[in-house]
Amino acid sequence: AAGVIQSPRHLIKEKRETATLKCYPIPRHDTVYWYQQGPGQDPQFLISFYEKMQSDKGSIPDRFSAQQFSDYHSELNMSSLELGDSALYFCASSPGLAGENEETQYFGPGTRLLVL
Amino acid sequence: AQSVTQLGSHVSVSEGALVLLRCNYSSSVPPYLFWYVQYPNQGLQLLLKYTTGATLVKGINGFEAEFKKSETSFHLTKPSAHMSDAAEYFCAVSDGAGTALIFGKGTTLSVSS
Repeated sequence: AAGVIQSPRHLIKEKRETATLKCYPIPRHDTVYWYQQGPGQDPQFLISFYEKMQSDKGSIPDRFSAQQFSDYHSELNMSSLELGDSALYFCASSPGLAGENEETQYFGPGTRLLVL
Repeated sequence: AQSVTQLGSHVSVSEGALVLLRCNYSSSVPPYLFWYVQYPNQGLQLLLKYTTGATLVKGINGFEAEFKKSETSFHLTKPSAHMSDAAEYFCAVSDGAGTALIFGKGTTLSVSS
């Protein structure tokens, strides 16, 4: 079965640089979520989109922005990177509100970001 | 506000022994509860979930969990541990479809031969 695709899988950036992470949800899933998992930490919710509109916002820094496109893929844009942004970034997707298993979030493999 | 508490950041068992990972939640609305497993350098894989209906839910790899509203608990069990079960386990809660998952701090399960 198709899964959530994230790219790149690994990314190394310098402080103050920018980064763009991409997420391709499971086909026919229209809700996308972004989570940040620091070393040895639990995943923290950043932001979510439903039908290309922002649906919920968590602890996302103002330096980060995200959007969902017409093909439902999503991008997380991170600017003025800081050392503390080094983490594993997960994208998850779920079916639409009328879909089976609508409450279940399926996670991608993550993008590991290292800021030097 | 919702929250999840996982008792025991590290649990060690012998191969073939019972696995019990504890999870308690706090929620102002009927919760949706999940257990995810994370192997090193990998993503989160859904083990099982409770939404409504039967309070004992069965998941993949022989795991099951029981929703106990009176105890606000959703403990994860497996009758017989296998070496391949060694991983990080996260309990999570949400308000329902389309809402953020709130995770516990995780429990590292070690299995010795």
